[in-house]
Amino acid sequence: DSGVTQTPKHLITATGQRVTLRCSPRSGDLSVYWYQQSLDQGLQFLIQYYNGEERAKGNILERFSAQQFPDLHSELNLSSLELGDSALYFCASSKGVSGANVLTFGAGSRLTVL
Amino acid sequence: GDSVTQMEGPVTLSEEAFLTINCTYTATGYPSLFWYVQYPGEGLQLLLKATKADDKGSNKGFEATYRKETTSFHLEKGSVQVSDSAVYFCALSPSSGGYQKVTFGTGTKLQVIP
Repeated sequence: DSGVTQTPKHLITATGQRVTLRCSPRSGDLSVYWYQQSLDQGLQFLIQYYNGEERAKGNILERFSAQQFPDLHSELNLSSLELGDSALYFCASSKGVSGANVLTFGAGSRLTVL
Repeated sequence: GDSVTQMEGPVTLSEEAFLTINCTYTATGYPSLFWYVQYPGEGLQLLLKATKADDKGSNKGFEATYRKETTSFHLEKGSVQVSDSAVYFCALSPSSGGYQKVTFGTGTKLQVIP
């Protein structure tokens, strides 16, 4: 157990729907990151939050949004889902924003869009 | 922007063989460099890291040296075991900027056969 908790583990939904993925960071970590892992595009950085504030944005679609709450848990919202959004979504956390920080990953949420 | 290039897999080796997985990077300044490993059905976990030029990271028999002159961070192990079968990701993190947008390579799948 890495200490980073992601729910749900698996999710199957239909095109056009909206889903929310949840992440609880490791105790003491203030930064949360979201990554998308698909077979054809590898591990893509989506967004980073630090202590409730957005710090860095990657290849995140406009249909996707995220936020980090005062208790430091984070949610990734995916809307108007398309078949191509099927992927494994990872949350990771770290203590701060220093480049040397190690990321601790959760086990992932597998999204299947039918 | 920052990028990481690592050798494509899959790499298939016999037990006790020598392993090298090549990784080169493009980044400004002096990023921190990492190797993460992903076992089947799990999230990524840190294998080793190096934060400045000529540093050697090591863990579980794996080693990698931060070579600024060749912008490389190749992963090596002298004698692989079946339990080393996994996907290995090279990654970099900017040295400064108040954020930590970790960029990952595409991953190299290693299969070790008895």
